[in-house]
Amino acid sequence: DTGVSQDPRHKITKRGQNVTFRCDPISEHNRLYWYRQTLGQGPEFLTYFQNEAQLEKSRLLSDRFSAERPKGSFSTLEIQRTEQGDSAMYLCASSLAPLGSGEKLFFGSGTQLSVL
Amino acid sequence: AQKVTQAQTEISVVEKEDVTLDCVYETRDTTYYLFWYKQPPSGELVFLIRRNSFDEQNEISGRYSWNFQKSTSSFNFTITASQVVDSAVYFCALSQNTGGFKTIFGAGTRLFVKA
Repeated sequence: DTGVSQDPRHKITKRGQNVTFRCDPISEHNRLYWYRQTLGQGPEFLTYFQNEAQLEKSRLLSDRFSAERPKGSFSTLEIQRTEQGDSAMYLCASSLAPLGSGEKLFFGSGTQLSVL
Repeated sequence: AQKVTQAQTEISVVEKEDVTLDCVYETRDTTYYLFWYKQPPSGELVFLIRRNSFDEQNEISGRYSWNFQKSTSSFNFTITASQVVDSAVYFCALSQNTGGFKTIFGAGTRLFVKA
């Protein structure tokens, strides 16, 4: 069990550029989540995958954001035409069972995005 | 609607002091789960404890203990004999049976433990 891994750890980009982040969940976990965390705040839910199906998206996820999990394993989160307000820590998490059953989340170390 | 409130933004204690972190939650569900997570400077949130809504029995696990009171919708977390390594941001979180596929987090309490 190698844990949840995210790449890159840090990303600095200029406003208007596109960025893509990758998340590799714990191998036996079929549930994967993306969260966003800004300074001084708790993680905010963005989207959820069960296997390759994206089952829920937050209203926080504007049209510039897209997430995929093509084979039900790793996931990517892309932000197009980045804005300074997108600067945040993007966290990936995975779980073995549904959260509604009390399952805990396993988090990666996150990708810190800075938009200049 | 579900909501988690952590009124304490920062707490500073001296090593070996006990410290209690407060959490108040809102939910309309009768079945829900409460959590505490720790986020050290490295950034990775780590699960600490979990409680379901049907079990108000308070427990102690090592230096951690928690006080769950449904009557006041509170789920407070205590660290006994704090250590410098306890310095981190602590998040209270809520999942509910009908909450969809997400866990809701509070804004966090930053704990500084000074030697």
